[in-house]
Amino acid sequence: QKEVEQDPGPLSVPEGAIVSLNCTYSNSAFQYFMWYRQYSRKGPELLMYTYSSGNKEDGRFTAQVDKSSKYISLFIRDSQPSDSATYLCAMSTGQGAQKLVFGQGTRLTINP
Amino acid sequence: DGGITQSPKYLFRKEGQNVTLSCEQNLNHDAMYWYRQDPGQGLRLIYYSQIVNDFQKGDIAEGYSVSREKKESFPLTVTSAQKNPTAFYLCASSMSGHNEKLFFGSGTQLSVL
Repeated sequence: QKEVEQDPGPLSVPEGAIVSLNCTYSNSAFQYFMWYRQYSRKGPELLMYTYSSGNKEDGRFTAQVDKSSKYISLFIRDSQPSDSATYLCAMSTGQGAQKLVFGQGTRLTINP
Repeated sequence: DGGITQSPKYLFRKEGQNVTLSCEQNLNHDAMYWYRQDPGQGLRLIYYSQIVNDFQKGDIAEGYSVSREKKESFPLTVTSAQKNPTAFYLCASSMSGHNEKLFFGSGTQLSVL
């Protein structure tokens, strides 16, 4: 069993839809949770960064962490074609980036 | 503009050849990392360096080598011992070795001729 599981998709939705991206994990020691967005043939960029459980909102993006279920989510409201990218979850126990564990990424397409 | 510059964008390797991927950062970050990305897979750590003149193996270091002679630079050599080198290579940095926030370069696509 992989330490972090992420549905690879692909996921295709119409413009304006609410998108839900998810990751599950097995290591209960994870405390830092991140979402990266990666456009085709580009490097990932940090989108959301949360510590422990709870929600964090930034514009159209909401990151949710449920440590009791070992489940994290990224919600995108009013999705735009420019949101089309691969979304990677990543998590860490707090011992530095060298301990980050990445999901395999979900490829998302927003159709105009 | 501050950032991480990777070059070249595309690289081709002949059998038995060593090739070197360049990574330069002007973010004044202490820690630097090399990741490999294969289609449909998450990022896998090759090597990392938390300070100049020191580096550590990651999860898949076999067939790769690095150096960290300057704070700004962290080149990766893919040696002939790496039998499956075709992948997208990403360099990243963080403020320190204890910081989880990674900043990535734009990547190098390495292919075998």
